[in-house]
Amino acid sequence: EVQLVESGGGLVEPGGSLRLSCTTSGFTFSSYTMNWVRQAPGKGLEWVSSISDSSGYIYYADSVKGRFTISRDNARNSLYLQMNSLRVEDTAVYFCVRAPYSRSSDLTHWGQGTLVTVPS
Amino acid sequence: QSVLTQPPSVSAAPRQKVTVSCSGSSSNIGNNYVSWYQQLPGTAPKLLIYENNKRPSGIPDRFSGSKSGTSATLGITGLRTGDEADYYCGTWDTSLSAYVFGTGTKVTVL
Repeated sequence: EVQLVESGGGLVEPGGSLRLSCTTSGFTFSSYTMNWVRQAPGKGLEWVSSISDSSGYIYYADSVKGRFTISRDNARNSLYLQMNSLRVEDTAVYFCVRAPYSRSSDLTHWGQGTLVTVPS
Repeated sequence: QSVLTQPPSVSAAPRQKVTVSCSGSSSNIGNNYVSWYQQLPGTAPKLLIYENNKRPSGIPDRFSGSKSGTSATLGITGLRTGDEADYYCGTWDTSLSAYVFGTGTKVTVL
């Protein structure tokens, strides 16, 4: 069974930093593209970033470009999101999401999410 | 702001049919597959339809998807109270080099 478990969320002041982690199991992590998708309270889904299986292709939403860094450790079956210069509008539940390949339209498996709160 | 446009809400009585539209452009829906996601209250989204009209294992055939030009449609037949959820379309946007989601549609069973 595919499992994606996010951690690292919490309360952080504006301008601060946070590192999210996603620990995976049940599949060959090194063969899949991984994504971060977020959802602000009461709002819709917003894609944040994508990293290909070997980290060769990395993409970011304009809203986080230059502030967030996606990375992965295939030996540890883990995905990361380093978030710097956090803003109030970054408050959201962050989901770790698997995709079959880079630039795929199919986000096939989702974690339960971790909440990041940046208070005003 | 979302690149893909969906109606905010649709509703129908139990056992009836609803459709949810998703409008985009040539850089996203027009040249890429479309997926649909179901988000039940308080839960993570789940893939409902992929590659325009395919259903993952375990998704009943009451759910269907189609695409024409720069628009896509999700259909739900035999509506049940358990189908009450938010539904999102999604696809890769070639011009933006980004994944884009629809604005989301709340389906209500009357």
